[in-house]
Amino acid sequence: AQSVTQLDSHVSVSEGTPVLLRCNYSSSYSPSLFWYVQHPNKGLQLLLKYTSAATLVKGINGFEAEFKKSETSFHLTKPSAHMSDAAEYFCVNRMDSNYQLIWGAGTKLIIKP
Amino acid sequence: NAGVTQTPKFQVLKTGQSMTLQCAQDMNHEYMSWYRQDPGMGLRLIHYSVGAGITDQGEVPNGYNVSRSTTEDFPLRLLLAAPSQTSVYFCASSYGQGSYNEQFFGPGTRLTVL
Repeated sequence: AQSVTQLDSHVSVSEGTPVLLRCNYSSSYSPSLFWYVQHPNKGLQLLLKYTSAATLVKGINGFEAEFKKSETSFHLTKPSAHMSDAAEYFCVNRMDSNYQLIWGAGTKLIIKP
Repeated sequence: NAGVTQTPKFQVLKTGQSMTLQCAQDMNHEYMSWYRQDPGMGLRLIHYSVGAGITDQGEVPNGYNVSRSTTEDFPLRLLLAAPSQTSVYFCASSYGQGSYNEQFFGPGTRLTVL
């Protein structure tokens, strides 16, 4: 069965330092993986998407993620955190059916000045 | 384009009442879905639709009904509200019939059931 595990419920970094948000998945076939972001009291927005074209995926706002099949991971990174990056981030995988997604529990990113 | 719109933004119900959460999109998307978001649990799929006249159940469908009479609208009905349905509800739509394309989300409806 497909699943998604976000390894940290909260991550706190200082402004200007690197960001790492961890996601592990399980899938019985080639996954489609996404990262979405939710800013406080706002809707959700797609950051980036992996669909097997390239293992390193670049997204919006300087974020990128690397698909590592051997580690079943899809970690999200950014070289330098900005205060505006404070939000909740969700790792998402496609389920068996083409019509349903499974969402991780989310990681809250806190940026310290 | 307005994108995905949801009404109301906030709602308080008493146990046993019924109501309809409205969702509309103006992007001619075939795929629409309803999620609920609870603290520490991510989003869970309630129902989805791959086109007008076609709906199916997601992970947590009990207590909810949907219909899709037009491409644009996908209302979610709570039949007999219960405190366990207190949550934030998001409607989403995407191009095509699968879940592999980017989903566009509405602003959400915060529902409290007393």
